[in-house]
Amino acid sequence: AQKVTQAQTEISVVEKEDVTLDCVYETRDTTYYLFWYKQPPSGELVFLIRRNSFDEQNEISGRYSWNFQKSTSSFNFTITASQVVDSAVYFCALSEDFSGNTGKLIFGQGTTLQVKP
Amino acid sequence: DARVTQTPRHKVTEMGQEVTMRCQPILGHNTVFWYRQTMMQGLELLAYFRNRAPLDDSGMPKDRFSAEMPDATLATLKIQPSEPRDSAVYFCASGLTELAKNIQYFGAGTRLSVL
Repeated sequence: AQKVTQAQTEISVVEKEDVTLDCVYETRDTTYYLFWYKQPPSGELVFLIRRNSFDEQNEISGRYSWNFQKSTSSFNFTITASQVVDSAVYFCALSEDFSGNTGKLIFGQGTTLQVKP
Repeated sequence: DARVTQTPRHKVTEMGQEVTMRCQPILGHNTVFWYRQTMMQGLELLAYFRNRAPLDDSGMPKDRFSAEMPDATLATLKIQPSEPRDSAVYFCASGLTELAKNIQYFGAGTRLSVL
């Protein structure tokens, strides 16, 4: 069965600290996609990244980086030198590529990140 | 800057009243999704459409919820009659493709309170 687990419910850090948000997934498929979304206090979900199951290269975008490891079924998200504006709820999500699927996303429960000045 | 537009942003209503939430997907997107977010259940998929046709609404309470796409620029989610347990944030999302690689772009949500 497909499932996404974000074990960290809440994380609090002080500005400029690095922080890693964990995401562990379960899937029956060999082809799948993983996503991260950010939900700031304004409420809208903002797409951050998509990664397919055949690409295990780590990705970096500014202060954000993602570590995808199929061996441990994890897709972790690191924010370097965190800022107050990074305070948000972050969701990891999974989409499986099987016949009949139409891009349905399975979301984790989310991790609330609070960055204090 | 293309975005998904949802109206209203906030809705307060009394139990038993009809509620209609609207969504304008990004122009050119052919898939539309409705989600509900609550503290207890997190983000749940209620229904989704491809090319305006409903594909799966198994996540919706059928007796009171209905979702439609009258045209390519409008999706609606109705609750009749509403109940206090329907209080949640309802999100609409749209995407370019029905494939698993689809990136869903979300609206700002409708925060519904049923008293």
